Amino acid sequence: DTAVSQTPKYLVTQMGNDKSIKCEQNLGHDTMYWYKQDSKKFLKIMFSYNNKELIINETVPNRFSPKSPDKAHLNLHINSLELGDSAVYFCASSQGLRVFGSQYFGPGTRLLVL
Amino acid sequence: AQKVTQAQTEISVVEKEDVTLDCVYETRDTTYYLFWYKQPPSGELVFLIRRNSFDEQNEISGRYSWNFQKSTSSFNFTITASQVVDSAVYFCALSEDGSSNTGKLIFGQGTTLQVKP
Repeated sequence: DTAVSQTPKYLVTQMGNDKSIKCEQNLGHDTMYWYKQDSKKFLKIMFSYNNKELIINETVPNRFSPKSPDKAHLNLHINSLELGDSAVYFCASSQGLRVFGSQYFGPGTRLLVL
Repeated sequence: AQKVTQAQTEISVVEKEDVTLDCVYETRDTTYYLFWYKQPPSGELVFLIRRNSFDEQNEISGRYSWNFQKSTSSFNFTITASQVVDSAVYFCALSEDGSSNTGKLIFGQGTTLQVKP
């Protein structure tokens, strides 16, 4: 059973399009995150949600809009895609807002904007 | 400010050699957590270890060991008798547990380890 899953795994799209990435966790965690890994492998937090409430928004352009319909899901919608959005996007989850539990990551979604 | 530095960008060793990956962190909090993650060529991020700031005991798990030293703000990772399957990018990360804690992980730049047969 996959603990943290993301769909799609690969996403190739044209500049200007709108796309969504879905994330689901079956660990019973109440906190979920989105991280972006750029071409130099640098990982940076984008958003986090705790019990469906937005906790972190790390100066991400407002073209990125996370949505958490319930504790087990955190989706990422991106409007008007730009070349610089090409990256690997990782979803993660943990139990509790404070880091008593470790964060477990999904397999990543490789986004390529042409 | 929180910061994690992995000064070694790439390391190449021959199988069975021991290798140490360095991690130095900066934080103002007295309570914090340190992590190591492995990212193999397949791309997923694999959790290896979590350590809290009050526990400076070294930890060993099979061929992996971790040396946490608050005096030098370091949390180094050693692989003993390296194997080709250890080839990956390794990330050190920090999370603070202060009153403004948000649970976010601050990652180092990563160290690419190549183990040659």
